[in-house]
Amino acid sequence: EPEVTQTPSHQVTQMGQEVILRCVPISNHLYFYWYRQILGQKVEFLVSFYNNEISEKSEIFDDQFSVERPDGSNFTLKIRSTKLEDSAMYFCASSVQGLRVNTEAFFGQGTRLTVV
Amino acid sequence: GDSVTQMEGPVTLSEEAFLTINCTYTATGYPSLFWYVQYPGEGLQLLLKATKADDKGSNKGFEATYRKETTSFHLEKGSVQVSDSAVYFCALSDRVFGPGTRLSVLP
Repeated sequence: EPEVTQTPSHQVTQMGQEVILRCVPISNHLYFYWYRQILGQKVEFLVSFYNNEISEKSEIFDDQFSVERPDGSNFTLKIRSTKLEDSAMYFCASSVQGLRVNTEAFFGQGTRLTVV
Repeated sequence: GDSVTQMEGPVTLSEEAFLTINCTYTATGYPSLFWYVQYPGEGLQLLLKATKADDKGSNKGFEATYRKETTSFHLEKGSVQVSDSAVYFCALSDRVFGPGTRLSVLP
């Protein structure tokens, strides 16, 4: 069964460093998303991406964050100059259609980012 | 803006007990509604969904009915198992998530 895969499963980084979280969405999906979940808290939408550009982003997704689809399979989230409060589980998801069209997003297992 | 409210946990039940986790929403238009489950140490998994009013989503013994008149999508299961212990998230169009409800089922 096709699935969204994320690497690494756990990343530890020093405050101020840049990190890149990687995702391989399901191959025939066209819409890609990043969410984060701070430990013990709710899942928060960060950004959606379609046709090689950001289609929607939340207030959380500020200039510190960027996304990219560098090739035909990977979808990355870059966090520049990480802060302690960036420590969270980051989930990638993908869908065939946009989420406003009543479709379903498939989630990866997540990358746990720990900033020390 | 759109929002989801879920009953706060943790919820602790004995095996074979009846489960209800309340979820209400505020939204413009006619969003799809979802329940996701997160087992310990794992990512989010879609549990069930409903795309229009009066639809009932069901999976693994869980059910939820999209009630437009009460803007609710309560999750129910007639007889829970220890393996159902997890955090359950109600979500609106996969964009707005509730805070999650932790369920612990004791043998």
